[in-house]
Amino acid sequence: SQTIHQWPATLVQPVGSPLSLECTVEGTSNPNLYWYRQAAGRGLQLLFYSVGIGQISSEVPQNLSASRPQDRQFILSSKKLLLSDSGFYLCAWSSLDRVETGELFFGEGSRLTVL
Amino acid sequence: GQNIDQPTEMTATEGAIVQINCTYQTSGFNGLFWYQQHAGEAPTFLSYNVLDGLEEKGRFSSFLSRSKGYSYLLLKELQMKDSASYLCAVMDSNYQLIWGAGTKLIIKP
Repeated sequence: SQTIHQWPATLVQPVGSPLSLECTVEGTSNPNLYWYRQAAGRGLQLLFYSVGIGQISSEVPQNLSASRPQDRQFILSSKKLLLSDSGFYLCAWSSLDRVETGELFFGEGSRLTVL
Repeated sequence: GQNIDQPTEMTATEGAIVQINCTYQTSGFNGLFWYQQHAGEAPTFLSYNVLDGLEEKGRFSSFLSRSKGYSYLLLKELQMKDSASYLCAVMDSNYQLIWGAGTKLIIKP
């Protein structure tokens, strides 16, 4: 069966510090991978999605970046965090064969607080 | 612009029935989805509607009217564990999911 994990689960970072969130998927190959941010009282905001190794699409211009060094690994990074980067970050995957059904499988989430 | 509207919060009683509405305005339509999200956890998939009508899955049902840009999620025989946020999302013409802010459902004994 397929599983998805992301870490760390919780982190508190000072403004201006770097960030690295990691996500891995097991049990499937060629998944579509996504990074979402969920702010309180707002809908999920798609940050990045990837259809293959090294292929990253950015939905929102910001100080965040994403990389996909391996088929089942997706990394969210920042060189300098802003206060506005605080939120709940979710990694997700979907099957390439079932993209039209829209079913996403989410990781456990990473709660980031920037102070 | 694209917009998904759903109530911010609803309260219901254990054992009762509750209907959570969702209206949408999007660039194209390729399906509507409902996800459940317990506090502090990731969303989990509940239902998918692409044609008009009612889809039933156990205690949960989802309805879609494409002409009205409207959907609802119906929860029957409410249990305390149903206390969660319910997210409505629409897939637009580019196969991108547009998300509502979610409806927090509070179940009282």
